[in-house]
Amino acid sequence: GENVEQHPSTLSVQEGDSAVIKCTYSDSASNYFPWYKQELGKRPQLIIDIRSNVGEKKDQRIAVTLNKTAKHFSLHITETQPEDSAVYFCAATYSGNTPLVFGKGTRLSVIA
Amino acid sequence: GAVVSQHPSWVICKSGTSVKIECRSLDFQATTMFWYRQFPKQSLMLMATSNEGSKATYEQGVEKDKFLINHASLTLSTLTVTSAHPEDSSFYICSARPRQGFFEQYFGPGTRLTVT
Repeated sequence: GENVEQHPSTLSVQEGDSAVIKCTYSDSASNYFPWYKQELGKRPQLIIDIRSNVGEKKDQRIAVTLNKTAKHFSLHITETQPEDSAVYFCAATYSGNTPLVFGKGTRLSVIA
Repeated sequence: GAVVSQHPSWVICKSGTSVKIECRSLDFQATTMFWYRQFPKQSLMLMATSNEGSKATYEQGVEKDKFLINHASLTLSTLTVTSAHPEDSSFYICSARPRQGFFEQYFGPGTRLTVT
């Protein structure tokens, strides 16, 4: 089955700096890669996703890049703000009929 | 749109008792629902996948006789933790997909279970 590795486990950045979180996946058939933000005690919230037919996707300060050959994808947050502080999870799946497999998460702290 | 609710949001029960958690898709029909468990400072771990009208598929290591899942309708799935023990204390989150072949999963708000 699919296995998703996520790094780093914790990340601290100064407000206004950029943050990058990286994930690798094992199943070359995977073709959907979402990123979730989770605040303490709350549900994961989808912040951006990318499909395998696209190499990059951007939404304001957030972007995701995908390298299918290397089987890795990354989340980029620019101009970080204190409210970006949360745990971020990457995930992968290869079919609309299979569940998402999550990475272990990255705790992002944005220091004002 | 695409709202998923869970009830209760938190529950405290005594060791040995059973607890039922409901997951509802409020504005769409969910052919598939998923149940995850999340321990403090850990990731979401898939427990089982349930399809309406059929038996749930459990992940390896998840006891199907302990975690009973019922997906009786296209808008409701239930997870019953039977004979709960303190080690079952966790954050249980459900998610739902509106139809076959749809990739995105919509998550419920989660249920915090504490077993004393």
